[in-house]
Amino acid sequence: AQTVTQSQPEMSVQEAETVTLSCTYDTSESDYYLFWYKQPPSRQMILVIRQEAYKQQNATENRFSVNFQKAAKSFSLKISDSQLGDAAMYFCAYVGSGGYQKVTFGTGTKLQVIP
Amino acid sequence: DVKVTQSSRYLVKRTGEKVFLECVQDMDHENMFWYRQDPGLGLRLIYFSYDVKMKEKGDIPEGYSVSREKKERFSLILESASTNQTSMYLCASSPGQASSYEQYFGPGTRLTVT
Repeated sequence: AQTVTQSQPEMSVQEAETVTLSCTYDTSESDYYLFWYKQPPSRQMILVIRQEAYKQQNATENRFSVNFQKAAKSFSLKISDSQLGDAAMYFCAYVGSGGYQKVTFGTGTKLQVIP
Repeated sequence: DVKVTQSSRYLVKRTGEKVFLECVQDMDHENMFWYRQDPGLGLRLIYFSYDVKMKEKGDIPEGYSVSREKKERFSLILESASTNQTSMYLCASSPGQASSYEQYFGPGTRLTVT
């Protein structure tokens, strides 16, 4: 079974600074997708960024980028120029490319942005 | 934009009551999911459905059942609510095969069982 581990329950960052959230996963599959989702306080969870395992290039979405290390099974999220609106729970997630798209989520990292 | 709605944001029920949580999506997605979110445990999959009238157990199906009579609607049923089912319940949907695998979430229902 696949597992996703987020070892940082809480993190904080100063506004305008850079922060990196960690995620490791365990799988025997070779083809899969990895995601970072953001859940702001009392708001709906939304997708931040997605990485296909077959792509060597790290995904980037504006201020958000990932460091995908397939051999190490590591998938960290870097937030640059942190803003107050980045404060949220962040969940790392894994889904295999076959089957019924069952997603495995990590336990989440609560990010606090300090003005 | 994809919209996933849940019937209630907050719900308070008594132990032993039958509880229905409703979820509706408006993007013709094949897949729908029910998760339970608890602090320190992340999201845990209760049930999912990949087609009308089709369902699969997730990681924690005990004490729950589901119904999907129409493609856009996926219901979670607590047959006899218990206090350990007090939690946040999230519904999600995603397109079928050969898609981006992105899940679209509803706002959640915070259920309290007393």
